[in-house]
Amino acid sequence: EDQVTQSPEALRLQEGESSSLNCSYTVSGLRGLFWYRQDPGKGPEFLFTLYSAGEEKEKERLKATLTKKESFLHITAPKPEDSATYLCAVQPISSGSARQLTFGSGTQLTVLP
Amino acid sequence: DSGVTQTPKHLITATGQRVTLRCSPRSGDLSVYWYQQSLDQGLQFLIQYYNGEERAKGNILERFSAQQFPDLHSELNLSSLELGDSALYFCASSATGTSNEQFFGPGTRLTVL
Repeated sequence: EDQVTQSPEALRLQEGESSSLNCSYTVSGLRGLFWYRQDPGKGPEFLFTLYSAGEEKEKERLKATLTKKESFLHITAPKPEDSATYLCAVQPISSGSARQLTFGSGTQLTVLP
Repeated sequence: DSGVTQTPKHLITATGQRVTLRCSPRSGDLSVYWYQQSLDQGLQFLIQYYNGEERAKGNILERFSAQQFPDLHSELNLSSLELGDSALYFCASSATGTSNEQFFGPGTRLTVL
């Protein structure tokens, strides 16, 4: 069974204090790993897709990396507006022509001014 | 704004009742996915439709059903509602059956009293 574990569950940072969020996954074969940002009461907002170990993607203060067993979301010099829950999801090769995602429980990030 | 629309935003109903949630995908997207998000379960995949046909089923209860219409909008029907069905229900869409990125709507918050 596919599993996604995110850590920490919650993270409080001071503005400008860089850190990383972790996503560990167990899947028979990985088609893609996805990062989403979710604000309270809103739908998840797509951030990145990673397909193979060693791949990196960046967007503003966020950088996502992928290894064979985990992914990291690095946040550089965060601002209060980066506060949100960050969700990691995997899409297994075994899903075939279907493309459903298996999500982790998320990391709730709070950036204090 | 992801381009995915969902109605209604909020729904309050009683146990035993039936409700219908509606989703319009992004223009041109053929795949629609339904997810349920509750506090204790996180985001769970329910069902996927591609161009009017069911493509994958996840943890969807027999009391729940969905369909995708010729204009590609989708409806999720929830019947014999129980207190535990209270949750956020999200619809997501992707460009084709093989596209990996899913874009989420704003969700429908269902409260069963």
